[in-house]
Amino acid sequence: EAGVAQSPRYKIIEKRQSVAFWCNPISGHATLYWYQQILGQGPKLLIQFQNNGVVDDSQLPKDRFSAERLKGVDSTLKIQPAKLEDSAVYLCASRTYRAPGELFFGEGSRLTVL
Amino acid sequence: GDSVTQMEGPVTLSEEAFLTINCTYTATGYPSLFWYVQYPGEGLQLLLKATKADDKGSNKGFEATYRKETTSFHLEKGSVQVSDSAVYFCATATGANSKLTFGKGITLSVRP
Repeated sequence: EAGVAQSPRYKIIEKRQSVAFWCNPISGHATLYWYQQILGQGPKLLIQFQNNGVVDDSQLPKDRFSAERLKGVDSTLKIQPAKLEDSAVYLCASRTYRAPGELFFGEGSRLTVL
Repeated sequence: GDSVTQMEGPVTLSEEAFLTINCTYTATGYPSLFWYVQYPGEGLQLLLKATKADDKGSNKGFEATYRKETTSFHLEKGSVQVSDSAVYFCATATGANSKLTFGKGITLSVRP
């Protein structure tokens, strides 16, 4: 079974530039998450999708972050404009509806904002 | 909202030593509890879970017991191996959406 795929693995940009991350979840997983993991901290939930609908985006900085999940499969997370404090690893995860809390994570996309 | 507190790290042990990593939580409602592990160069993966009080989760020689009275879920292993070197995260999930809340994580290094 293929795992959660993310790209790019690494990205370096200057502040005020934009960046987009892509995620392909495990086939059949209806629930998809984006987490932000700052160095030395645990992952923090940014947004949760159920199919292509948003379930929780209460911690997403909506003035600069956006995310979509068209057709309930792949998802993209965009940051525009980026700030220095956005430097982090962006993790995508997915799960089946029947296994709450049992997430499958991708390897993450490491963003460095200069 | 929920919060998870893990003991400060990093932790360095010799092979075959006994491991305990402390985790306490605060939660509204009745959470499920999890330990996730991140091996070097890999993504986070579920290590074990417990869904109700006094449940014991176990996997790969690791164990953790859901202690409701002390709101704790400490991770233990009787004899660690070099291959257990990783970052370990304690997490809770509550609510209709089962939002997963993570602790800060702790780095374990095991010396041969």
